[in-house]
Amino acid sequence: DAGITQSPRHKVTETGTPVTLRCHQTENHRYMYWYRQDPGHGLRLIHYSYGVKDTDKGEVSDGYSVSRSKTEDFLLTLESATSSQTSVYFCAISESKGGRETQYFGPGTRLLVL
Amino acid sequence: GDSVTQMEGPVTLSEEACLTINCTYTATGYPSLFWYVQYPGEGLQLLLKATKADDKGSNKGFEATYRKETTSFHLEKGSVQVSDSAVYFCALSDTSAGGTSYGKLTFGQGTILTVHP
Repeated sequence: DAGITQSPRHKVTETGTPVTLRCHQTENHRYMYWYRQDPGHGLRLIHYSYGVKDTDKGEVSDGYSVSRSKTEDFLLTLESATSSQTSVYFCAISESKGGRETQYFGPGTRLLVL
Repeated sequence: GDSVTQMEGPVTLSEEACLTINCTYTATGYPSLFWYVQYPGEGLQLLLKATKADDKGSNKGFEATYRKETTSFHLEKGSVQVSDSAVYFCALSDTSAGGTSYGKLTFGQGTILTVHP
């Protein structure tokens, strides 16, 4: 257990509304990530953070923004939700051992955009 | 860029059968390789990993060997159980987070395994 929580765990929203998902970690990890999971695509990286206020885009970043004002919290915002953003969203942290990184995942947030 | 290819699924087996899920990769650096498992309705759990060529990762009866010459990391288990029914993901992380990859993972598309009694 890497001490990762996500909120909310489930959300239903309407097209065009803003949505913010929260990832919280308790073990002071530097690196955090947001992925989305869709059938046939595995998990795809949306954004990642390598420190407070240090973030960068992943493979599927269009329509998403992130913020990290504290080490423990990494927020994912859908500025104006679309039906194509219906997905399961996973947050992850990275733990370093011997110069190699291993990621551990949160429980996920299931988002439905109507 | 980096990529991971897993065998097509779904895979359906009877209890106590042998399992192999193929995984091959392309990477530009020196990747670490991972298998994650996702049980129904849950998040991803790390199943096993290997960080250099010829390393064997193992956990819960599952094994995978990092084969640089064939760029493969196949998942194997000698005798599956109903409780092994899940989705299995192969993934790679190219170089360490101290380098330019920041520990980012590239995933395969996942393989659904169903084990019947």
